[in-house]
Amino acid sequence: DVKVTQSSRYLVKRTGEKVFLECVQDMDHENMFWYRQDPGLGLRLIYFSYDVKMKEKGDIPEGYSVSREKKERFSLILESASTNQTSMYLCASSLVGAGNQPQHFGDGTRLSIL
Amino acid sequence: AQSVTQLGSHVSVSEGALVLLRCNYSSSVPPYLFWYVQYPNQGLQLLLKYTSAATLVKGINGFEAEFKKSETSFHLTKPSAHMSDAAEYFCAVSENTGTASKLTFGTGTRLQVTL
Repeated sequence: DVKVTQSSRYLVKRTGEKVFLECVQDMDHENMFWYRQDPGLGLRLIYFSYDVKMKEKGDIPEGYSVSREKKERFSLILESASTNQTSMYLCASSLVGAGNQPQHFGDGTRLSIL
Repeated sequence: AQSVTQLGSHVSVSEGALVLLRCNYSSSVPPYLFWYVQYPNQGLQLLLKYTSAATLVKGINGFEAEFKKSETSFHLTKPSAHMSDAAEYFCAVSENTGTASKLTFGTGTRLQVTL
């Protein structure tokens, strides 16, 4: 079974702090994704990566950056956290495919910015 | 660009009743479609996927979905609801960007199962 592990289930930070969310997958997947989930809005893609050191912006990249130095690890960085970034963050990974490969999700990190 | 509409943000059924969760999609190419389930305080788990092999797709936990191209729909059904089915359900459509396949999600439907 694919395992996607997010380093923290709950995190509380202060405005202006630099925040790191970490995600590790154990199935040698090429693709990795970061989403945020808000009530009534579903999941929205922040960034994704299709290879080591390769990244592309998703639908809502403002205020975020990412890092992928190793294939199994994908980090989401909030450069200067703000209260509107309080949310549930979900990491996912998938194999390369023509669109038919499902994404496998971690359990999420619930981030509160005070 | 692809999009997904889930009709009904909340659906309530009695235990043993039919579950029907609606999903309509918009796509300029033949779509790949997915249903995911999210239990409280957990990530998303794949229920089933449509990848053009068969229009009726069976998934885990007794769920199935039928792809209807003429209606651009991919509704999720289960003949008899169980209390353990209470969760949030997301429909998603896949888009191949050339570098990776992105998923566009609907806003979700929360299923409540009552005694």
